[in-house]
This record gives sequence, structure tokens and C-alpha cells, in this order.
Amino acid sequence: LAKTTQPISMDSYEGQEVNITCSHNNIATNDYITWYQQFPSQGPRFIIQGYKTKVTNEVASLFIPADRKSSTLSLPRVSLSDTAVYYCLVGGMNRDDKIIFGKGTRLHILP
Amino acid sequence: GAVVSQHPSWVICKSGTSVKIECRSLDFQATTMFWYRQFPKQSLMLMATSNEGSKATYEQGVEKDKFLINHASLTLSTLTVTSAHPEDSSFYICSARGGGGHEQYFGPGTRLTVT
Repeated sequence: LAKTTQPISMDSYEGQEVNITCSHNNIATNDYITWYQQFPSQGPRFIIQGYKTKVTNEVASLFIPADRKSSTLSLPRVSLSDTAVYYCLVGGMNRDDKIIFGKGTRLHILP
Repeated sequence: GAVVSQHPSWVICKSGTSVKIECRSLDFQATTMFWYRQFPKQSLMLMATSNEGSKATYEQGVEKDKFLINHASLTLSTLTVTSAHPEDSSFYICSARGGGGHEQYFGPGTRLTVT
């Protein structure tokens, strides 16, 4: 299982773009990269998933370089409600493939 | 999107008693379900993986006789904490995979407090 490394915490201001980078040097060929958001006392919420290059949805973008050893979650124009813990996870998509959580990044948005 | 529910959302029990937590996939069939535990200010820790109709696979350090997992159907998995103690107080979260997709969908969590 690929281990991930993220900054422990980040601060930003409302309206700014926030980029959170995750390192996963040991990513395997069949591993996908998935980002989750978690608010206190809630289950993680899926944000975005990708395998390579760039993926964009209505809430975020995910940038993955060619070597796939890192990825960057980009949140455009954050608001106070984006204050949460963000987890980068790497794993296969087979039925029994486990999702192991790292420590995550605690993002604090300031007014 | 796929929805996973948990019941109860919170429970308080006395030390020495057992408590059961249910995890349901509401609109898809979950071939695999996962159980996590999360202590305050910490990340989620995987406890076990369960496939429908077979025994759960526990992570190292998780007592299988204490945390009983049953995945009797494609939409329901249960976690029973037996002989609970205050140190078992935690936030328990399940997730489910299935429906032909790659994603893993998480439940809202169950807060267990053992007094």
C-alpha cells in the first residue's frame, strides 16, 4: 500500500485558491488517487479521483504529474465552509483493495 | 450518488455491555464493506474488511473476538463491540464499495461512548 505524505495543516483566506500537495512515491501501477474531505464528527466525503494528468469536477481539480509520485488538490475560491481535514489516499480499485488513511491536511479558512 | 447510512448515530453504553452498529448501503449493493475507528484529532484507522457472505479480515492489532463483524447481505454489515470498555469510546465509520464503481462511500459515523 502506497504511503502518502501531506502537510499537516494549512491556512488560507476566503476567495483564495488553495492547493494541497500529496506525495506518494511508492504508488503502484494500478493505484488511483482519491481525495476526501472530512468535517468534525462526520464521515469522509468524496471530492475527486484520478489516475493521471488532470481531473476537474464541480468542486475541485486534481493535478497528477506524469510520474504519478505526487498529486495536487486545487480548491478554487475557498469559503469558510471549506475548513475541514483533507485526505489524500492511494489504492487499487479491486473489491478487496483497502483504503488506508494518512494523517490528512487540516485546512483552516480565515475570513 | 451512492448513500451509506449508519445506525445509531450515537450511543452511550455501560462498561461491560455490548453494542451493535449497523451499516447499510441504501441504493447499491456493497460487495465489500470496511470498518474504521477514529479518535479525536486523529485520522481514520482501518479495523477490518468484510465481504458479503464471508468472514471479515481484521487489521493487525484489532481483536476479532471483541469487534464482531457480520456482512450477511449485500446491503448490511454490522459491527458489535463486545464487553465494551471506556477505551473503546470512539467514532466508528463504515464504508462500502460496490455498484460497479471505483469509489468507496462512507457512512456518517457512529459516536460510541462507554461509561
